[in-house]
Amino acid sequence: AQRVTQPEKLLSVFKGAPVELKCNYSYSGSPELFWYVQYSRQRLQLLLRHISRESIKGFTADLNKGETSFHLKKPFAQEEDSAMYYCALSHRNTGGFKTIFGAGTRLFVKA
Amino acid sequence: DTEVTQTPKHLVMGMTNKKSLKCEQHMGHRAMYWYKQKAKKPPELMFVYSYEKLSINESVPSRFSPECPNSSLLNLHLHALQPEDSALYLCASSPQISAGELFFGEGSRLTVL
Repeated sequence: AQRVTQPEKLLSVFKGAPVELKCNYSYSGSPELFWYVQYSRQRLQLLLRHISRESIKGFTADLNKGETSFHLKKPFAQEEDSAMYYCALSHRNTGGFKTIFGAGTRLFVKA
Repeated sequence: DTEVTQTPKHLVMGMTNKKSLKCEQHMGHRAMYWYKQKAKKPPELMFVYSYEKLSINESVPSRFSPECPNSSLLNLHLHALQPEDSALYLCASSPQISAGELFFGEGSRLTVL
């Protein structure tokens, strides 16, 4: 079965420190992977997707098919990065595409 | 308008009530979704509509009844709910039913007494 695993519920780092939010997935086909972010009192929104291979707000994520991972990284964390981060996998299913979410990691960046 | 709008923001209902949640988008998206999110849990997919037709039902109990009257509107009709159905109900849309970005609404927080 398809699954997205985020092993850390909470990650606390100091401002300026590197940050890595881990995501592992299980899917037998070719997945589409995403990172969504939810800032305090805001709606859930897309941060980045693996096919675009771009950096958003200094964050990058590389799909590693061998390790079935899609970890989110930022070299220097900022206080405004504090938020809830969800890794998500979109896959084809009978009826269409489904997007499933990992349990989420709350990132807290300390001053 | 580049947002998904959900109403009401909060809803309290008894187990014998009938109520509806409404979702609207004017981005021309042809796929719309209902997700359920319990506290401190990730969103869980309930239903997917593509071109106003139900394409995925994740074995949701029949006390939840979705409806897509047109390409901009998605409703979730609620009847005879249980207290454990209390949750944040999120609506989302995407340009097509494919592996792409989901645009979420702010959600409707439902409390069942």
